[in-house]
Amino acid sequence: SYVLTQPPSVSVAPGQTARITCGGNNIGSKRVHWYQQKPGQAPVLVVYDDSDRPSGIPERFSGSNSGNTATLTISRVEAGDEADYYCQVWDSSSDWVFGGGTKLTVL
Amino acid sequence: QITLTESGPTLVKPTQTLTLTCTFSGFSLTTSGLGVAWIRQPPGKALEWLALNYWNDDKRYRPSLRSRLTVTKDTSKNQVVLTMTNMDPVDTGTYYCAHRHAVGLSFDYWGQGILVTVSS
Repeated sequence: SYVLTQPPSVSVAPGQTARITCGGNNIGSKRVHWYQQKPGQAPVLVVYDDSDRPSGIPERFSGSNSGNTATLTISRVEAGDEADYYCQVWDSSSDWVFGGGTKLTVL
Repeated sequence: QITLTESGPTLVKPTQTLTLTCTFSGFSLTTSGLGVAWIRQPPGKALEWLALNYWNDDKRYRPSLRSRLTVTKDTSKNQVVLTMTNMDPVDTGTYYCAHRHAVGLSFDYWGQGILVTVSS
């Protein structure tokens, strides 16, 4: 089965840039999607197909994907960005796969 | 505007069968390419995809849970139903239904989730 690996936590000061990685075997050949989940709430899609943003998602959220690592980048981090972030791909052998999640802390 | 709402029991006993209903609006599951998925999240843990029902009634299941899961759709009621047999305390968690993005492989709309506790 396909496995996605995320760091458990990332910390960043307000106004700085946060980078959350998602590792997987040849993940660059897949489309990666990112979700934001705040406590007690359902996940929200923030980036799809590696780097596209749904309507209503700020331009501060961007994504990239190459080789064995995909990255969600949040620029000019705000206190309201504090949340858990999950990457997700579709794999032919596993169907839909989520990463273990990364807790973003805004210092 | 697309909305999804999960309903069903919030407490089930071990070995019982769980039946959850996802009622949606803003789209039709007769539209080519669309699908509704079930995804769960144990307390404090990561998201876990369970099953998906496509518009053409193709169904996909998490391999490790395939023997316990059934998903069905009722297009006249705009509902998708998940059945999970032989429930165990490790199945405790929040169960979400979600709309599969029409042209991609992401989930762009989610229900608010329903917390299911498995306990005697």
